[in-house]
Amino acid sequence: AQRVTQPEKLLSVFKGAPVELKCNYSYSGSPELFWYVQYSRQRLQLLLRHISRESIKGFTADLNKGETSFHLKKPFAQEEDSAMYYCALTGANNLFFGTGTRLTVIP
Amino acid sequence: GAVVSQHPSRVICKSGTSVKIECRSLDFQATTMFWYRQFPKKSLMLMATSNEGSKATYEQGVEKDKFLINHASLTLSTLTVTSAHPEDSSFYICSATTGGPYEQYFGPGTRLTVT
Repeated sequence: AQRVTQPEKLLSVFKGAPVELKCNYSYSGSPELFWYVQYSRQRLQLLLRHISRESIKGFTADLNKGETSFHLKKPFAQEEDSAMYYCALTGANNLFFGTGTRLTVIP
Repeated sequence: GAVVSQHPSRVICKSGTSVKIECRSLDFQATTMFWYRQFPKKSLMLMATSNEGSKATYEQGVEKDKFLINHASLTLSTLTVTSAHPEDSSFYICSATTGGPYEQYFGPGTRLTVT
């Protein structure tokens, strides 16, 4: 069965510090993984997807099939990065979300 | 581009009444719309997948007679919570895509409170 686990509900880092939001998954086939972000009072939006191997707003995420992880990283956190982050995995025809991690960047 | 709206953003209704939530794709035609529910401290849960012009596909455990979904056009899907009860109070989010699950555009959500 598909499952996405985000072990940290809350994460606080100081501005300028590195940040890593953890995501682990279980999936029987070849997964497609995503990170979604929800800023305060805004809608959920796609941050990045593993297949595009891109860096968005300084964030990167590498799919590690051996560890079944897709951790989101940024070397230097900014205050505007404070938001709710959801890791998601595609199933047959829909997305499965993790429980989310609320990131707070302390000035 | 790719904006999805939901109406209303908040609704309070009495137990036993029905409430309709609209989801609209404003600048694109959405072949598929998804309805999610977010429980407190839990993950977004997919409720159903709705394709324009056909019956919605409900996830296991979701009562289709209670959560009526209509996708009458390529820009509008509605979710009607029938005979609402306090346990239906939740945050409902819709998303829309032009094809496949990969690029989903999310609405801002609707907070339903049943008293």
